[in-house]
Amino acid sequence: KQEVTQIPAALSVPEGENLVLNCSFTDSAIYNLQWFRQDPGKGLTSLLLIQSSQREQTSGRLNASLDKSSGRSTLYIAASQPGDSATYLCAVRSFPTGANSKLTFGKGITLSVRP
Amino acid sequence: DAGVTQSPTHLIKTRGQQVTLRCSPKSGHDTVSWYQQALGQGPQFIFQYYEEEERQRGNFPDRFSGHQFPNYSSELNVNALLLGDSALYLCASSLVASYGYTFGSGTRLTVV
Repeated sequence: KQEVTQIPAALSVPEGENLVLNCSFTDSAIYNLQWFRQDPGKGLTSLLLIQSSQREQTSGRLNASLDKSSGRSTLYIAASQPGDSATYLCAVRSFPTGANSKLTFGKGITLSVRP
Repeated sequence: DAGVTQSPTHLIKTRGQQVTLRCSPKSGHDTVSWYQQALGQGPQFIFQYYEEEERQRGNFPDRFSGHQFPNYSSELNVNALLLGDSALYLCASSLVASYGYTFGSGTRLTVV
């Protein structure tokens, strides 16, 4: 059974700091991994998706890396801004279709960027 | 291009009642999944529909049921509501065998 862990549960940093959010998963046989952002009481916004054959993906100030063999992914946020304050969730998809094509989520990391 | 649309946005129900939540997938998507997110938790998979059939189901009781229509839209039904069913219900759509999921804004269900 796939389990996804995100530690710590909450993080507070000053504006401008570069930061790394960690995600670990127990079964390395994954199809892809997706990072999401969630604002309070809102739905999920996809940030980056990494296929199992890829090592990293970049979008603007965000960079996500994937190390399947060690069961880890990191989301790097450069030059953090107060607008980056949100909960960041990682989710693993084990298969492209059929059984286990569902997403398994971590509990998320709530990020607060102080002005 | 409209993303995933969910309705209603908020709902308050009484214990024992029944509720129906609705989801319209992103244009071009044919697979709909439903997730339940309790406060402070990650979303938990409820079930997935493709070609109007339930293809996968998570660890949820039979009180949770669903339906997918020919236009790919979907409904989530919950019978005999319990206080513990209070949560944010998220709908996600994708193309079968595609890469990623697109989520809607969710329906906040409060059971009193």
